[in-house]
Amino acid sequence: DAKTTQPNSMESNEEEPVHLPCNHSTISGTDYIHWYRQLPSQGPEYVIHGLTSNVNNRMASLAIAEDRKSSTLILHRATLRDAAVYYCILRSSSNFGNEKLTFGTGTRLTIIP
Amino acid sequence: GAVVSQHPSRVICKSGTSVKIECRSLDFQATTMFWYRQFPKQSLMLMATSNEGSKATYEQGVEKDKFLINHASLTLSTLTVTSAHPEDSSFYICSAGRGTGGGNQPQHFGDGTRLSIL
Repeated sequence: DAKTTQPNSMESNEEEPVHLPCNHSTISGTDYIHWYRQLPSQGPEYVIHGLTSNVNNRMASLAIAEDRKSSTLILHRATLRDAAVYYCILRSSSNFGNEKLTFGTGTRLTIIP
Repeated sequence: GAVVSQHPSRVICKSGTSVKIECRSLDFQATTMFWYRQFPKQSLMLMATSNEGSKATYEQGVEKDKFLINHASLTLSTLTVTSAHPEDSSFYICSAGRGTGGGNQPQHFGDGTRLSIL
């Protein structure tokens, strides 16, 4: 799987939007962009994923650059419960059945009350 | 609600004990499940891929005789840490995905098992 690069940490004020960037310059045409987050002492939680178009769900929005070499996870209104480590992961659709996720170091998001 | 259940959530036992961890997909069948290990302040490291009805595929450096994986049904995979020692103390996490859509399917994770070997 292609590699992603994320900032080690970010801070945001409560109730403000948060933009978490991810660079994936070696992404291939069959790679989906997945985001997961891990709260302390819990397993990771799926947040959102996309291929080319921007995506929205109840948790967040995913903005994908036109060249797909970067993406941004957007939390529209951060709460204290959004404090977690956020992982941006590329997942190939070409390896049918080989669905493993390779985790990088992620971005530790701190929410300031 | 949770779609992958992992049990137990915490184990504390003596060195030399074997420990079994269960991972269940609650409302879907999973032909493939994954087992990860996470040490404090580190990221998740994939240990092995559990395949229903066949042998697990282990990542490089993971001892297959130490970490026994059994995936006997489409909803249950187990990881047994045999003769555990203090260096095996870690946070073990499983995951599974619905269907076989590959990259277009999210993975669902269990809540993890914190293993502490005294």
